[in-house]
Amino acid sequence: LAKTTQPISMDSYEGQEVNITCSHNNIATNDYITWYQQFPSQGPRFIIQGYKTKVTNEVASLFIPADRKSSTLSLPRVSLSDTAVYYCLVGFNTDKLIFGTGTRLQVFP
Amino acid sequence: SAVISQKPSRDICQRGTSLTIQCQVDSQVTMMFWYRQQPGQSLTLIATANQGSEATYESGFVIDKFPISRPNLTFSTLTVSNMSPEDSSIYLCSVAGRAAGELFFGEGSRLTVL
Repeated sequence: LAKTTQPISMDSYEGQEVNITCSHNNIATNDYITWYQQFPSQGPRFIIQGYKTKVTNEVASLFIPADRKSSTLSLPRVSLSDTAVYYCLVGFNTDKLIFGTGTRLQVFP
Repeated sequence: SAVISQKPSRDICQRGTSLTIQCQVDSQVTMMFWYRQQPGQSLTLIATANQGSEATYESGFVIDKFPISRPNLTFSTLTVSNMSPEDSSIYLCSVAGRAAGELFFGEGSRLTVL
């Protein structure tokens, strides 16, 4: 099971781009990289997933280098409502996913 | 996506008692999961609830403490037995989505044990 390492916390200001990097050195060939967002008093919410290169959706972009040993979640122009904990997970089988410590993002006005 | 409803959303319990949390999904799903999130911590998988068979528990969690039922493809319950203050946590129900690694979560049930 791949273990992930993320910064414990990050601060940003409204309108800035935020990049959160996750390390997963022992990622397996068939593992996907998935990011979740969790607001206080809510369950985590799936925001983006990728296998390699770059993925973009309406919420975020995910950059994955060729060796796949890390990934970067990019949030463009954050707002106060992006204050949350962001979790990086790697895996294929949903019954084997492990949540790491997550990154607590605080956005200031 | 799946819509997941949990009951109760929160409760305050006395030590030594048991509480059952219900999880209802708006569609039939094969795999349902129960997670625990202790205050300020990440999520830890308790068990996978299988329809028609016993739940599969993760290391550190046992059936006597966290009995699980899965009577059909849309419903599951988790009981926290003989509670102690250390069981004060948020308990989250989750189901697998179509994509690998995709999970949908309920809002959670916040238990406080006095």
